Amino acid sequence: AQSVTQLGSHVSVSEGALVLLRCNYSSSVPPYLFWYVQYPNQGLQLLLKYTTGATLVKGINGFEAEFKKSETSFHLTKPSAHMSDAAEYFCAVTYSGAGSYQLTFGKGTKLSVIP
Amino acid sequence: DAGVIQSPRHEVTEMGQEVTLRCKPISGHNSLFWYRQTMMRGLELLIYFNNNVPIDDSGMPEDRFSAKMPNASFSTLKIQPSEPRDSAVYFCASSFGQGVSGNTIYFGEGSWLTVV
Repeated sequence: AQSVTQLGSHVSVSEGALVLLRCNYSSSVPPYLFWYVQYPNQGLQLLLKYTTGATLVKGINGFEAEFKKSETSFHLTKPSAHMSDAAEYFCAVTYSGAGSYQLTFGKGTKLSVIP
Repeated sequence: DAGVIQSPRHEVTEMGQEVTLRCKPISGHNSLFWYRQTMMRGLELLIYFNNNVPIDDSGMPEDRFSAKMPNASFSTLKIQPSEPRDSAVYFCASSFGQGVSGNTIYFGEGSWLTVV
């Protein structure tokens, strides 16, 4: 079974500051990892994903995440926050392998950007 | 291109009433998912269809919930009878291929259900 823990249900940063959203996973098999963003009253949109290969993954809107197997982490970062980044962010995990469909989501981290 | 389309976007209903949520997946996608989002439990997978066939419905909370996918372009999630604890946002999502490991899931904007 897999699980995801997102540290901090709410994170506030100043505009222009570094964004760091933490995600730790638990999986008995090699994981595939995802970050999704949810803007108010909208569905989830994929930011980036790690499946295999390079452990530093770049996504949309300037976000990136690094898969660290030794730390079982997949933290999301962005060098400089923008007001439009204010949203809720979800980390998710599934097991590697064709046909895996059970995405396990974290509880989410709501990001506020202070002008 | 049109994304995943859900209706209704908002529904307020009285306890005991039947609720039907509808979903039109992205054309060409053959995997369809229904998720429920609540403050307490977060995002939970209710049911997964592949090629219109229910593959895993273990997340459906109880017999009051049922889902169908009569064809590749339409799915419904029905709650009968509805209860206040069913109040949540219900998301439909679709992807091409089997599963999510190599394929991007696209979410609809959700159906916000309130049962009073």
